[in-house]
Amino acid sequence: EDKVVQSPLSLVVHEGDTVTLNCSYEVTNFRSLLWYKQEKKAPTFLFMLTSSGIEKKSGRLSSILDKKELFSILNITATQTGDSAVYLCAVGSRTSYDKVIFGPGTSLSVIP
Amino acid sequence: DAGITQSPRYKITETGRQVTLMCHQTWSHSYMFWYRQDLGHGLRLIYYSAAADITDKGEVPDGYVVSRSKTENFPLTLESATRSQTSVYFCASRDVYSNQPQHFGDGTRLSIL
Repeated sequence: EDKVVQSPLSLVVHEGDTVTLNCSYEVTNFRSLLWYKQEKKAPTFLFMLTSSGIEKKSGRLSSILDKKELFSILNITATQTGDSAVYLCAVGSRTSYDKVIFGPGTSLSVIP
Repeated sequence: DAGITQSPRYKITETGRQVTLMCHQTWSHSYMFWYRQDLGHGLRLIYYSAAADITDKGEVPDGYVVSRSKTENFPLTLESATRSQTSVYFCASRDVYSNQPQHFGDGTRLSIL
């Protein structure tokens, strides 16, 4: 059965800290790995990764994929209170409709 | 503004009632999806649609019905609501090209008493 596991499930850090969120997966016919940020409402897209070893970066956020070991990390440097959210990892599978399997999310709280 | 909108944002109803959640997107995306989000389960796919008049079951379809007569609309109906269907429901859409991510609406929080 396809599954996506995230760790930790929750995390509390102080502003300015650097955090690493983990995502591992077992998915048939892997196509891509996606990271989303979810605050109070809709998940918003952060990154899509398809190739191993190529870092994607956006401001203080970066992510990398290891397709051999079946995991990805999301790094956030110099955290701010606005980074507080649930971070969802999802894996796309090559099916007729490009099925996406979501992990349970990591709840990040950044305190001043 | 272009995007994906869901209505209502909040709904309270009673067991046995029929309730319809609406989803509308202005991007002309081919694919549309309905998920439910529950603590401990993350986002689970209920139904998806590849185009107008083409729909198919996802992971947890029981108790739900969908239709897609127009590309931009994808309503989700609970034919006879049960307490176990209390959840937050998200609609998403995606372009036909598989290298594009799904984009989500703001969700409908549904409570069934």
